[in-house]
Amino acid sequence: AQTVTQSQPEMSVQEAETVTLSCTYDTSESDYYLFWYKQPPSRQMILVIRQEAYKQQNATENRFSVNFQKAAKSFSLKISDSQLGDAAMYFCARCNTGNQFYFGTGTSLTVIP
Amino acid sequence: NAGVTQTPKFQVLKTGQSMTLQCAQDMNHNSMYWYRQDPGMGLRLIYYSASEGTTDKGEVPNGYNVSRLNKREFSLRLESAAPSQTSVYFCASRSMGWGTEAFFGQGTRLTVV
Repeated sequence: AQTVTQSQPEMSVQEAETVTLSCTYDTSESDYYLFWYKQPPSRQMILVIRQEAYKQQNATENRFSVNFQKAAKSFSLKISDSQLGDAAMYFCARCNTGNQFYFGTGTSLTVIP
Repeated sequence: NAGVTQTPKFQVLKTGQSMTLQCAQDMNHNSMYWYRQDPGMGLRLIYYSASEGTTDKGEVPNGYNVSRLNKREFSLRLESAAPSQTSVYFCASRSMGWGTEAFFGQGTRLTVV
């Protein structure tokens, strides 16, 4: 199986600080898309950010940015100026050319006031 | 804007009983997916349908069957429920196109006793 690995089951951050969530993946393909999803206690899955493997520039969405290292197959999420509403489970995901959409095991983020 | 609708939201089954989880999307998406979410395991792909008329196995298909009834609907059937199938089930859909995001339903919490 082509896996997505999140090695941090739980993370915490002080409000207004920065936190980085890690993700590594395995694939034999040269082009693919990577995603970060957020799942708050409501269980709803919300897209945070996406990155195409062919684009070298790291994606940014407001306070959320990624550090994409293609050779290392690493795709970390940085959350700047953390807010209480950022507390959630975060999932890294990869989509390949076969239209399969694989997720990691998730990182539970706690934001400390 | 209904998006992806799953029914039911909660279900309790006895071991050996059968049931079908329903999923419908109103976004004219080609691809649909079924996942299960378990603590520490993330979201695991059960089955997916790249387009109407096709279905493929994901990571954990054993014990499940699916039907892509039409472009809108993708159902998941448990023929003989087992306690190991206790989980939260999510349906998702995506439009055709490279890198499009997946939209998720609210999930079905299934307990098999």
